[in-house]
Amino acid sequence: NAGVTQTPKFQVLKTGQSMTLQCAQDMNHNSMYWYRQDPGMGLRLIYYSASEGTTDKGEVPNGYNVSRLNKREFSLRLESAAPSQTSVYFCASSEFRGNSPLHFGNGTRLTVT
Amino acid sequence: AQTVTQSQPEMSVQEAETVTLSCTYDTSESDYYLFWYKQPPSRQMILVIRQEAYKQQNATENRFSVNFQKAAKSFSLKISDSQLGDAAMYFCAYRLNRDDKIIFGKGTRLHILP
Repeated sequence: NAGVTQTPKFQVLKTGQSMTLQCAQDMNHNSMYWYRQDPGMGLRLIYYSASEGTTDKGEVPNGYNVSRLNKREFSLRLESAAPSQTSVYFCASSEFRGNSPLHFGNGTRLTVT
Repeated sequence: AQTVTQSQPEMSVQEAETVTLSCTYDTSESDYYLFWYKQPPSRQMILVIRQEAYKQQNATENRFSVNFQKAAKSFSLKISDSQLGDAAMYFCAYRLNRDDKIIFGKGTRLHILP
Protein backbone atom coordinates (compact mmCIF):
# COMPACT_ATOMS: atom_id res chain seq x y z
CA ASN A 1 0.00 0.00 0.00
CA ALA A 2 1.31 3.46 -0.93
CA GLY A 3 -0.43 5.26 1.97
CA VAL A 4 0.33 9.00 1.83
CA THR A 5 2.56 10.10 -1.03
CA GLN A 6 4.23 13.49 -1.11
CA THR A 7 6.11 15.00 -4.01
CA PRO A 8 8.74 16.25 -4.36
CA LYS A 9 11.07 14.89 -1.66
CA PHE A 10 13.47 17.85 -1.93
CA GLN A 11 13.19 21.31 -3.45
CA VAL A 12 15.32 24.42 -3.55
CA LEU A 13 13.65 27.71 -4.44
CA LYS A 14 14.83 31.25 -4.80
CA THR A 15 13.03 33.98 -2.87
CA GLY A 16 9.90 35.02 -4.72
CA GLN A 17 9.47 31.81 -6.69
CA SER A 18 6.29 29.80 -6.40
CA MET A 19 5.69 26.09 -6.14
CA THR A 20 3.07 23.51 -5.23
CA LEU A 21 3.64 20.56 -2.92
CA GLN A 22 1.52 17.60 -3.88
CA CYS A 23 -0.04 15.08 -1.53
CA ALA A 24 -2.21 12.08 -2.32
CA GLN A 25 -3.59 9.29 -0.14
CA ASP A 26 -5.05 5.99 -1.28
CA MET A 27 -6.77 5.00 1.98
CA ASN A 28 -10.10 6.75 1.33
CA HIS A 29 -9.49 9.03 4.31
CA ASN A 30 -11.74 11.98 4.96
CA SER A 31 -9.35 14.40 6.68
CA MET A 32 -6.06 15.71 5.35
CA TYR A 33 -3.46 18.01 6.90
CA TRP A 34 -0.36 20.02 6.09
CA TYR A 35 2.29 20.59 8.78
CA ARG A 36 5.68 22.20 8.80
CA GLN A 37 8.48 20.99 11.08
CA ASP A 38 11.24 23.31 12.22
CA PRO A 39 13.94 22.60 14.83
CA GLY A 40 12.67 23.38 18.31
CA MET A 41 9.18 24.21 17.06
CA GLY A 42 7.63 20.77 16.68
CA LEU A 43 4.98 20.29 14.01
CA ARG A 44 2.85 23.31 13.30
CA LEU A 45 -0.43 23.01 11.44
CA ILE A 46 -0.63 25.10 8.29
CA TYR A 47 -4.01 24.09 6.83
CA TYR A 48 -6.33 21.16 7.12
CA SER A 49 -9.34 19.74 5.32
CA ALA A 50 -11.89 17.87 7.40
CA SER A 51 -13.71 16.63 4.32
CA GLU A 52 -13.68 16.93 0.56
CA GLY A 53 -14.60 20.49 -0.42
CA THR A 54 -13.62 22.14 2.86
CA THR A 55 -10.38 23.71 4.04
CA ASP A 56 -9.52 25.55 7.23
CA LYS A 57 -6.59 27.55 8.52
CA GLY A 58 -4.30 26.07 11.10
CA GLU A 59 -1.73 27.75 13.32
CA VAL A 60 0.56 29.23 10.64
CA PRO A 61 -1.39 29.74 7.38
CA ASN A 62 0.19 33.02 6.22
CA GLY A 63 2.05 32.68 2.93
CA TYR A 64 0.33 29.44 1.96
CA ASN A 65 -2.74 28.33 0.06
CA VAL A 66 -4.28 24.89 -0.24
CA SER A 67 -6.61 23.01 -2.53
CA ARG A 68 -8.54 19.86 -1.72
CA LEU A 69 -8.83 18.76 -5.30
CA ASN A 70 -10.81 15.61 -4.48
CA LYS A 71 -10.94 13.13 -1.65
CA ARG A 72 -7.47 11.78 -2.47
CA GLU A 73 -5.46 14.93 -3.09
CA PHE A 74 -4.55 17.94 -0.97
CA SER A 75 -1.99 20.36 -2.37
CA LEU A 76 -0.06 23.18 -0.66
CA ARG A 77 1.00 26.22 -2.65
CA LEU A 78 3.63 28.82 -1.87
CA GLU A 79 2.87 31.82 -4.06
CA SER A 80 6.01 33.82 -3.30
CA ALA A 81 8.52 31.81 -1.31
CA ALA A 82 10.44 33.44 1.54
CA PRO A 83 13.50 32.17 3.46
CA SER A 84 11.25 31.83 6.54
CA GLN A 85 9.42 29.07 4.68
CA THR A 86 12.52 26.88 4.66
CA SER A 87 11.28 23.80 6.49
CA VAL A 88 10.30 20.17 6.26
CA TYR A 89 6.68 19.84 5.18
CA PHE A 90 4.52 16.86 6.10
CA CYS A 91 1.19 15.88 4.66
CA ALA A 92 -1.02 13.59 6.73
CA SER A 93 -4.44 12.00 6.51
CA SER A 94 -6.93 10.52 8.93
CA GLU A 95 -9.82 8.17 8.29
CA PHE A 96 -12.32 9.99 10.49
CA ARG A 97 -12.52 12.19 13.57
CA GLY A 98 -12.02 11.02 17.09
CA ASN A 99 -9.22 8.62 17.88
CA SER A 100 -8.40 7.82 14.25
CA PRO A 101 -4.62 8.32 13.97
CA LEU A 102 -2.76 10.42 11.46
CA HIS A 103 -0.94 8.68 8.63
CA PHE A 104 2.02 10.74 7.48
CA GLY A 105 3.87 11.10 4.21
CA ASN A 106 7.66 11.01 4.17
CA GLY A 107 8.02 14.79 4.08
CA THR A 108 9.38 17.38 1.68
CA ARG A 109 12.53 19.27 2.56
CA LEU A 110 12.21 22.76 1.15
CA THR A 111 15.02 25.32 1.11
CA VAL A 112 14.39 28.91 0.09
CA THR A 113 17.52 30.93 -0.65
CA ALA B 1 -6.26 28.84 21.24
CA GLN B 2 -5.39 25.22 21.68
CA THR B 3 -1.91 24.67 23.03
CA VAL B 4 0.14 21.62 23.83
CA THR B 5 3.19 22.01 26.06
CA GLN B 6 6.06 19.55 26.34
CA SER B 7 8.32 21.02 29.00
CA GLN B 8 11.29 18.70 28.47
CA PRO B 9 13.16 19.46 25.23
CA GLU B 10 15.57 16.55 25.84
CA MET B 11 15.79 13.58 28.16
CA SER B 12 18.14 10.66 28.65
CA VAL B 13 17.51 7.29 30.19
CA GLN B 14 19.60 4.21 30.78
CA GLU B 15 18.71 1.18 28.70
CA ALA B 16 16.18 -1.07 30.51
CA GLU B 17 15.11 1.76 32.83
CA THR B 18 11.78 3.59 32.89
CA VAL B 19 11.26 7.14 31.69
CA THR B 20 8.28 9.50 31.75
CA LEU B 21 7.73 12.27 29.21
CA SER B 22 5.40 15.06 30.23
CA CYS B 23 2.67 16.79 28.23
CA THR B 24 0.07 19.34 29.24
CA TYR B 25 -2.62 20.89 27.09
CA ASP B 26 -5.04 23.74 27.28
CA THR B 27 -8.70 23.50 26.35
CA SER B 28 -12.09 24.42 27.68
CA GLU B 29 -13.79 21.63 25.71
CA SER B 30 -14.65 18.17 26.94
CA ASP B 31 -14.70 16.14 23.71
CA TYR B 32 -11.15 15.56 22.55
CA TYR B 33 -8.50 12.94 21.96
CA LEU B 34 -4.83 12.73 22.84
CA PHE B 35 -1.95 11.04 21.05
CA TRP B 36 1.74 10.35 21.36
CA TYR B 37 3.78 10.04 18.18
CA LYS B 38 7.39 8.95 17.76
CA GLN B 39 9.77 10.28 15.11
CA PRO B 40 13.01 8.29 14.77
CA PRO B 41 15.95 9.62 12.73
CA SER B 42 14.29 8.26 9.59
CA ARG B 43 11.82 11.16 10.00
CA GLN B 44 8.84 8.81 9.73
CA MET B 45 6.02 9.64 12.17
CA ILE B 46 4.73 6.63 14.09
CA LEU B 47 1.71 6.46 16.40
CA VAL B 48 2.72 5.26 19.86
CA ILE B 49 -0.50 5.45 21.86
CA ARG B 50 -3.86 7.27 22.00
CA GLN B 51 -6.39 8.18 24.66
CA GLU B 52 -10.02 9.24 24.53
CA ALA B 53 -10.79 12.06 26.97
CA TYR B 54 -14.05 10.43 28.01
CA LYS B 55 -12.24 7.30 29.19
CA GLN B 56 -10.90 7.31 32.73
CA GLN B 57 -8.77 4.22 32.23
CA ASN B 58 -5.23 4.96 31.10
CA ALA B 59 -4.23 3.52 27.73
CA THR B 60 -1.42 0.99 27.47
CA GLU B 61 0.41 -0.50 24.49
CA ASN B 62 3.01 -3.07 25.50
CA ARG B 63 5.88 -1.11 27.16
CA PHE B 64 4.12 2.22 26.62
CA SER B 65 1.48 3.61 28.94
CA VAL B 66 -0.02 7.00 29.73
CA ASN B 67 -0.98 8.81 32.87
CA PHE B 68 -4.04 10.83 31.87
CA GLN B 69 -5.14 13.41 34.43
CA LYS B 70 -8.11 15.18 32.87
CA ALA B 71 -8.63 17.78 35.59
CA ALA B 72 -4.96 18.76 35.46
CA LYS B 73 -4.96 18.57 31.63
CA SER B 74 -1.93 16.33 31.75
CA PHE B 75 -1.07 13.41 29.48
CA SER B 76 2.34 11.92 30.25
CA LEU B 77 3.94 8.96 28.47
CA LYS B 78 5.75 6.25 30.40
CA ILE B 79 8.19 3.98 28.60
CA SER B 80 9.17 0.90 30.56
CA ASP B 81 12.23 -1.27 29.93
CA SER B 82 13.69 1.33 27.56
CA GLN B 83 15.37 -0.04 24.45
CA LEU B 84 17.89 1.50 22.06
CA GLY B 85 15.20 1.60 19.39
CA ASP B 86 13.14 3.95 21.54
CA ALA B 87 15.58 6.77 20.84
CA ALA B 88 13.57 9.36 18.92
CA MET B 89 11.64 12.62 19.10
CA TYR B 90 8.33 12.16 20.87
CA PHE B 91 5.40 14.43 20.14
CA CYS B 92 2.24 14.85 22.13
CA ALA B 93 -0.85 15.85 20.12
CA TYR B 94 -4.38 16.94 20.84
CA ARG B 95 -7.47 16.72 18.66
CA LEU B 96 -10.76 18.49 19.18
CA ASN B 97 -13.66 16.42 17.94
CA ARG B 98 -15.60 19.58 17.07
CA ASP B 99 -13.39 20.82 14.24
CA ASP B 100 -10.89 18.01 13.61
CA LYS B 101 -7.89 20.27 14.15
CA ILE B 102 -4.84 18.38 15.46
CA ILE B 103 -2.22 20.38 17.35
CA PHE B 104 1.21 19.08 18.31
CA GLY B 105 3.64 20.02 21.06
CA LYS B 106 7.26 20.97 20.36
CA GLY B 107 8.54 17.52 21.12
CA THR B 108 10.95 15.81 23.51
CA ARG B 109 14.13 14.24 22.20
CA LEU B 110 14.77 10.99 24.04
CA HIS B 111 18.28 9.51 24.24
CA ILE B 112 18.81 5.93 25.36
CA LEU B 113 22.15 5.31 27.07
CA PRO B 114 23.59 1.80 26.62
